[in-house]
Amino acid sequence: RKEVEQDPGPFNVPEGATVAFNCTYSNSASQSFFWYRQDCRKEPKLLMSVYSSGNEDGRFTAQLNRASQYISLLIRDSKLSDSATYLCVVASSGSARQLTFGSGTQLTVLP
Amino acid sequence: GAVVSQHPSWVICKSGTSVKIECRSLDFQATTMFWYRQFPKQSLMLMATSNEGSKATYEQGVEKDKFLINHASLTLSTLTVTSAHPEDSSFYICSARTVSGHGNEQFFGPGTRLTVL
Repeated sequence: RKEVEQDPGPFNVPEGATVAFNCTYSNSASQSFFWYRQDCRKEPKLLMSVYSSGNEDGRFTAQLNRASQYISLLIRDSKLSDSATYLCVVASSGSARQLTFGSGTQLTVLP
Repeated sequence: GAVVSQHPSWVICKSGTSVKIECRSLDFQATTMFWYRQFPKQSLMLMATSNEGSKATYEQGVEKDKFLINHASLTLSTLTVTSAHPEDSSFYICSARTVSGHGNEQFFGPGTRLTVL
């Protein structure tokens, strides 16, 4: 079983749609959680951290359920520029704090 | 955010040659640098973690004699792919982390695309 699992998609949605991505992780000792965005042939870039209380940044809302080891990302009013691969990332505890990446969910927003 | 650069951004080489990739933190001192590899349509896989002035820690399945990592200063780490073969063709990404100033966040370089013919 992969440490971080995501639905690979692709998700093809029209502009203005709301789209949700899900992610599960296997290591219950994981401490920190993130969503990264990766454009084609580019490095991943931090989109937002994910907290148990849920957090929102503009059109993006992230949720964490530690009991279910489940993370979600909701994108509202999607834009063409949101087209990218979204990576669910989990960090271990301790000084090493390694990041483990999911394989990503591909999103294409259509005009 | 902090800036991490990688050089070269892409390289094509013949099988059997060695390729060196540089990773630099431009505006902060990186106590720890990470090297990842990403094959098409797959996730980033951590290859090794290096701390300045000490030997790198390699992930299981990564040959340390093939992927030589040097982290000689707080702003520079290098990855050398020795005797490269076509199966080493991949997207290599470094990231750097500092424990002060920028919290505990990792900053990624733009990646190096290696093609071995």
